Amino acid sequence: DGGITQSPKYLFRKEGQNVTLSCEQNLNHDAMYWYRQDPGQGLRLIYYSQIVNDFQKGDIAEGYSVSREKKESFPLTVTSAQKNPTAFYLCASSMWGVREQFFGPGTRLTVL
Amino acid sequence: KQEVTQIPAALSVPEGENLVLNCSFTDSAIYNLQWFRQDPGKGLTSLLLIQSSQREQTSGRLNASLDKSSGRSTLYIAASQPGDSATYLCAVRPYGEETSGSRLTFGEGTQLTVNP
Repeated sequence: DGGITQSPKYLFRKEGQNVTLSCEQNLNHDAMYWYRQDPGQGLRLIYYSQIVNDFQKGDIAEGYSVSREKKESFPLTVTSAQKNPTAFYLCASSMWGVREQFFGPGTRLTVL
Repeated sequence: KQEVTQIPAALSVPEGENLVLNCSFTDSAIYNLQWFRQDPGKGLTSLLLIQSSQREQTSGRLNASLDKSSGRSTLYIAASQPGDSATYLCAVRPYGEETSGSRLTFGEGTQLTVNP
């Protein structure tokens, strides 16, 4: 099956810890994205990547980091510098340019 | 800065009713607009993508229209069913983003409940 997978589905973090969210796609898409969704709000872009070894900050990049070492993988690290990390995190991918975006099932991160 | 608004925030209708969800955006310089469905605790499912040169797109019981000059899009759902209950989000892609990654600006969504 072609698609986007995110793991884990639920993640709990203690204050001061870094955690990494996984996103993998087998759609052969060039571009990948990370969004954050808070209750009652639309999605906000954290980081995006058009090609391997290249990525750009989105609207709310502070406290997050990413890497793009392989075309199919785009992990997101939530660092201790992110003061309010509890949210639903969504990964997406698309063909490079203006093509339709497709989303993974999401990871719910809770800070204890 | 592009802003996307969806009204109403929540809508409850009886099964079988035809309904319209609204999306408005402040900057008409968009490349395309995409409608998504989100079930509780799940990711987004793409429903329809309308290019700026198009007036509407149809998929089954769904029809999306776009009036770029007025900054509006509507999602029409015919003969609604309980399985249509979900949050519906619209997102726009501005001009200039076609070469820098497909950045989307999202509305906050309309939560639809279809009652049997």
